[in-house]
Amino acid sequence: EIVMTQSPATLSVSPGERATLSCRASQSVSSNLAWYQQKPGQAPRLLIYGASTRATGIPARFSGSGSGTEFTLTISSLQSEDFAVYYCQQYNNQYTFGQGTKLEIK
Amino acid sequence: EVQLVESGGGLVQPGGSLRLSCAASGFTVSSNYMSWVRQAPGKGLEWVSVIYSGGSTYYADSVKGRFTISRHNSKNTLYLQMNSLRAEDTAVYYCARLVAAAGTKSGAFDIWGQGTMVTVSS
Repeated sequence: EIVMTQSPATLSVSPGERATLSCRASQSVSSNLAWYQQKPGQAPRLLIYGASTRATGIPARFSGSGSGTEFTLTISSLQSEDFAVYYCQQYNNQYTFGQGTKLEIK
Repeated sequence: EVQLVESGGGLVQPGGSLRLSCAASGFTVSSNYMSWVRQAPGKGLEWVSVIYSGGSTYYADSVKGRFTISRHNSKNTLYLQMNSLRAEDTAVYYCARLVAAAGTKSGAFDIWGQGTMVTVSS
């Protein structure tokens, strides 16, 4: 099983600043990597797939990068609605998710 | 509007069974790859099962032999039959549509339902 490890577990950032979230795979997943946002009591929402392609309706302030085993989700200028938990997910070999990064207001 | 609505969750005793349903609207379940993903209370996401448009099915090792994914084409509905339930199966269960990369059978989950809670406890 491919293990996905996200860091940090919690990230405190002020509104308007940039947030950088990391995701590492235990073996190469090529570009078969997605990012999701989940708010309390809600289902996850797809943000990024193919490591760097924004899903429909996702604002341009969200960007993804990386390939192989190292990936990054960047939110360029944090809005109040961006504070949530973020998960990465690989789909190169079945499907596994990272444990999540909680993005909180500083 | 593209939408998924789950139902069928509840409280069940260990060793019991439950069937979850996921009604789709705005797209055809049988023409898409569909999955179940679960989330234990306060925990992360865990993929459970997938059914491809051709009918083939796959399961996570944690549920293999106990859970069965299926669909009813005329009802445009996805199901998850869960047998021999254990305390560790307690979770919110989401159905989700899988959008596969071109030429592959894998991809990200682009449409999610609101989830249905399953509690396994005596």
